[in-house]
Amino acid sequence: RKEVEQDPGPFNVPEGATVAFNCTYSNSASQSFFWYRQDCRKEPKLLMSVYSSGNEDGRFTAQLNRASQYISLLIRDSKLSDSATYLCAVNPGSYGQNFVFGPGTRLSVLP
Amino acid sequence: GAVVSQHPSRVICKSGTSVKIECRSLDFQATTMFWYRQFPKQSLMLMATSNEGSKATYEQGVEKDKFLINHASLTLSTLTVTSAHPEDSSFYICSARDSQGKADTQYFGPGTRLTVL
Repeated sequence: RKEVEQDPGPFNVPEGATVAFNCTYSNSASQSFFWYRQDCRKEPKLLMSVYSSGNEDGRFTAQLNRASQYISLLIRDSKLSDSATYLCAVNPGSYGQNFVFGPGTRLSVLP
Repeated sequence: GAVVSQHPSRVICKSGTSVKIECRSLDFQATTMFWYRQFPKQSLMLMATSNEGSKATYEQGVEKDKFLINHASLTLSTLTVTSAHPEDSSFYICSARDSQGKADTQYFGPGTRLTVL
């Protein structure tokens, strides 16, 4: 089993739709979790950290489920500009250790 | 957010030449930087962890003699692809951790697209 897994998609949704992605991780000792967004031929950009209590930033909501070892990202009222690949990242151990990235989920928001 | 730069952004070279890529943290100190490689439509693959003042740690399957890493200061790490071949053509991305940051977050450089002819 891979350390971090994501459904590669693509997810094709109409504008205004709500879409959710999950990311599962295998190391129960993982400490911190993040969602990154990567546009085609660009570097990943941090979208949001994922806190145990869940967190929201505008149309984006991230949740962590430690018991089931997954994190989720919910996007409400999808915009065309949300089209990108969404990578989850997991820090499997101590502070400062490298992240393990999932393969990414491709989202296409259609007009 | 923190800013990380990479240079060059794009390079085309002949097979057998060496290419140096620089990664700089512009507004913070980074004792640790990471080098990734990403092939088209694939995920980021960690190549090595660059530690300021010490040897880099390479991931399994990454040749340390081919991918030379130097992290001579708290704001600069370099990756040199020696004797590059067409199969080394890829998108190389560095990331850096803010050593004094409260959040355990990595900031990515804009990447370097290497094409070896």
